[in-house]
Amino acid sequence: DQQVKQNSPSLSVQEGRISILNCDYTNSMFDYFLWYKKYPAEGPTFLISISSIKDKNEDGRFTVFLNKSAKHLSLHIVPSQPGDSAVYFCAGGGSNYKLTFGKGTLLTVNP
Amino acid sequence: DSGVTQTPKHLITATGQRVTLRCSPRSGDLSVYWYQQSLDQGLQFLIQYYNGEERAKGNILERFSAQQFPDLHSELNLSSLELGDSALYFCASSISGTSSGANVLTFGAGSRLTVL
Repeated sequence: DQQVKQNSPSLSVQEGRISILNCDYTNSMFDYFLWYKKYPAEGPTFLISISSIKDKNEDGRFTVFLNKSAKHLSLHIVPSQPGDSAVYFCAGGGSNYKLTFGKGTLLTVNP
Repeated sequence: DSGVTQTPKHLITATGQRVTLRCSPRSGDLSVYWYQQSLDQGLQFLIQYYNGEERAKGNILERFSAQQFPDLHSELNLSSLELGDSALYFCASSISGTSSGANVLTFGAGSRLTVL
């Protein structure tokens, strides 16, 4: 049972444009969500999080939107830079649920 | 460098063998988590320890076991290895053992296990 789904295995965008990475979840008991970024040969690194009581959280070029009724969240990167090229993992968690990750989306930002 | 150290980085072994993966958490972190990433799979939670005690168990096979030592380093033991156990094994650490948005996990670079 995959509780967190990232349906797009890959995404390619031009430098300077917006990157939108999507994530769907099925567990309505998740009370927070996180995005991690992973470069090759490195472990995932924390990027941004959002509580289930909020619908938006912003940190510099990165904004996460949460739509609880649709059980959907998205990560917006504006403007995208070549250094943003990485695998992005969406994850959900809660007081009784360990962090559950999606399969990841490979973002490629072309110069 | 995330501060979480995993050894070995790469390991190649044969079916039926046993291996031990080691993890040193970031300084000050009391909780250690083990995750498995197989081909085309997300990060699958295996097990969590907090200050030496098992805190939570995920999809960990009976052939796998783990422990956290008094110095807080952790070892993941994989026995009777099968081809399907080939994967990247990540260790992560955090300050607390609670599940909250504030308890961000810091990951190591992973140990790549190949079973032939």
